[in-house]
Amino acid sequence: DQQVKQNSPSLSVQEGRISILNCDYTNSMFDYFLWYKKYPAEGPTFLISISSIKDKNEDGRFTVFLNKSAKHLSLHIVPSQPGDSAVYFCAASYSGTYKYIFGTGTRLKVLA
Amino acid sequence: NAGVTQTPKFQVLKTGQSMTLQCAQDMNHEYMSWYRQDPGMGLRLIHYSVGAGITDQGEVPNGYNVSRSTTEDFPLRLLSAAPSQTSVYFCASRQVGDYGYTFGSGTRLTVV
Repeated sequence: DQQVKQNSPSLSVQEGRISILNCDYTNSMFDYFLWYKKYPAEGPTFLISISSIKDKNEDGRFTVFLNKSAKHLSLHIVPSQPGDSAVYFCAASYSGTYKYIFGTGTRLKVLA
Repeated sequence: NAGVTQTPKFQVLKTGQSMTLQCAQDMNHEYMSWYRQDPGMGLRLIHYSVGAGITDQGEVPNGYNVSRSTTEDFPLRLLSAAPSQTSVYFCASRQVGDYGYTFGSGTRLTVV
């Protein structure tokens, strides 16, 4: 049972445009969400996170939005750059556990 | 500062062999985890530890053992390798109060 779902395996975006990556979750106990970026042959790197008490968190070109009623979060990258081409994973956790549950990932390709 | 170091980077095993994947971190992080990454499955948690002497199971623990005798090291043991354990394995660590895990660069394991 996949508790964290990324339904788009891949996404292509033109350089300079907005990239929107989506993530859905089923467990209403999740209260902390993260996005990781992964380049080939490297480990994932932490990108941005959001607590369930917020609906938006921004860090430079990256913004994460959380819609708790829809159990949905999204990562916006504006403007997209070729160096953003990577696989993006969303992850979720809840208070009292130390476990993060990851989605299956979305491969973003930014076209120059 | 080396971060999270995983050895070996590549390994080929025969079915039934045992081996240990090494993970060491030099950041004095309390929390450590092992994940496996498979195509279409994302990152799945195998085992995790919240401190020396304390370990617990994740989503896919069968066929793997862990121990945490020191804060720095968190080895993952494959007891009797099976082709289903062919995967890329990532070790990760984080400090209490932080939310982003730091990942190692991975071990690519093939079981034939």
